[in-house]
Amino acid sequence: RKEVEQDPGPFNVPEGATVAFNCTYSNSASQSFFWYRQDCRKEPKLLMSVYSSGNEDGRFTAQLNRASQYISLLIRDSKLSDSATYLCVVRSGGYQKVTFGTGTKLQVIP
Amino acid sequence: DADVTQTPRNRITKTGKRIMLECSQTKGHDRMYWYRQDPGLGLRLIYYSFDVKDINKGEISDGYSVSRQAQAKFSLSLESAIPNQTALYFCATSDPRTSDYEQYFGPGTRLTVT
Repeated sequence: RKEVEQDPGPFNVPEGATVAFNCTYSNSASQSFFWYRQDCRKEPKLLMSVYSSGNEDGRFTAQLNRASQYISLLIRDSKLSDSATYLCVVRSGGYQKVTFGTGTKLQVIP
Repeated sequence: DADVTQTPRNRITKTGKRIMLECSQTKGHDRMYWYRQDPGLGLRLIYYSFDVKDINKGEISDGYSVSRQAQAKFSLSLESAIPNQTALYFCATSDPRTSDYEQYFGPGTRLTVT
């Protein structure tokens, strides 16, 4: 089993739709969780950290389910500019234990 | 100006050649990283450095070497390039004193080995 698994997609959604991605992780001792966004051929950028109590940033909501070992990202009222690949990142120890998922591609359609 | 810069941005080289990828940062971060990204494999850590005197291997260091010339500079070398080192290479920095392990990436170097 991969340390971090994501559905590669693509998720094709119309503008204004709500879309959710999940990411599962295998190490129950994982400590920190993040969502990064990567535009085509560009560098990844931090979208948001994921806290145990869940957190929201505008149209974006991240949640952590430790019992089932997954994190989720919910995007409400999708915009064309949300089209990107979303990377799940899990830290299970020191920096050498930061693992990136392969990403989920989102395409928002007019 | 970008906080993390990488040179070159694109490079085509032949098998067996030595090549160096350079990374510079103006963020003042102590920690720097080199990753490669391949389709379907995600980002994988090659080397990381916590300060000028501290360099560590990542999960895929074979065939690569690094040099931390200064706090702001971290170079990645391919001593004898091979085609399966064709990939997108990213440098990143972080400072856990100011954020919860957020990494700041450079724009990437697209390397092709023929």
